[in-house]
Amino acid sequence: DGGITQSPKYLFRKEGQNVTLSCEQNLNHDAMYWYRQDPGQGLRLIYYSQIVNDFQKGDIAEGYSVSREKKESFPLTVTSAQKNPTAFYLCASTGGFARSPLHFGNGTRLTVT
Amino acid sequence: GENVEQHPSTLSVQEGDSAVIKCTYSDSASNYFPWYKQELGKRPQLIIDIRSNVGEKKDQRIAVTLNKTAKHFSLHITETQPEDSAVYFCAASPGNTGKLIFGQGTTLQVKP
Repeated sequence: DGGITQSPKYLFRKEGQNVTLSCEQNLNHDAMYWYRQDPGQGLRLIYYSQIVNDFQKGDIAEGYSVSREKKESFPLTVTSAQKNPTAFYLCASTGGFARSPLHFGNGTRLTVT
Repeated sequence: GENVEQHPSTLSVQEGDSAVIKCTYSDSASNYFPWYKQELGKRPQLIIDIRSNVGEKKDQRIAVTLNKTAKHFSLHITETQPEDSAVYFCAASPGNTGKLIFGQGTTLQVKP
């Protein structure tokens, strides 16, 4: 939707397992972002990438990992080290590095039990 | 790092009334301030944005004002309608990375 596809929409995992969330965009955007959303806490930045093969930690990177091997793809792995992984995860992209709006995917709701 | 505070956390208005949501930011280098609307279970969608060289911007029933000296910006919705009910997020963009720091969100309820 809007050129950014996140899959799956719902994901269920057992505690202790790593899980990878997919994010693909066909907007030819250079920069991509992962946000986590919890009730009452807004959106918090996990990781971002401004160019292929490069990425930076956001405010809450612990327990997560990313890769950016292709411009179109920015998968997020939630590792077993993430203490509270249950959340709504949003991927976004932008065509400009500064003063440009983010375009969001539809999100993946991850539930870990 | 940048911090964005948003108030109020919930806002209830009668249809036709105005709604105002306020945000403050900490990093004086922030130069871009978008507002997003998120309906339940859906992705945030941009409704309006303002850049640091502008003090006010309007788009039909929606307006945003920016006070750089005081480091705060506000969203104004006039003639509210039930379909305006949603969660609204403000955000600020520090530097040139394109990343956005979001406020905590305001749940707006418009009563018919």
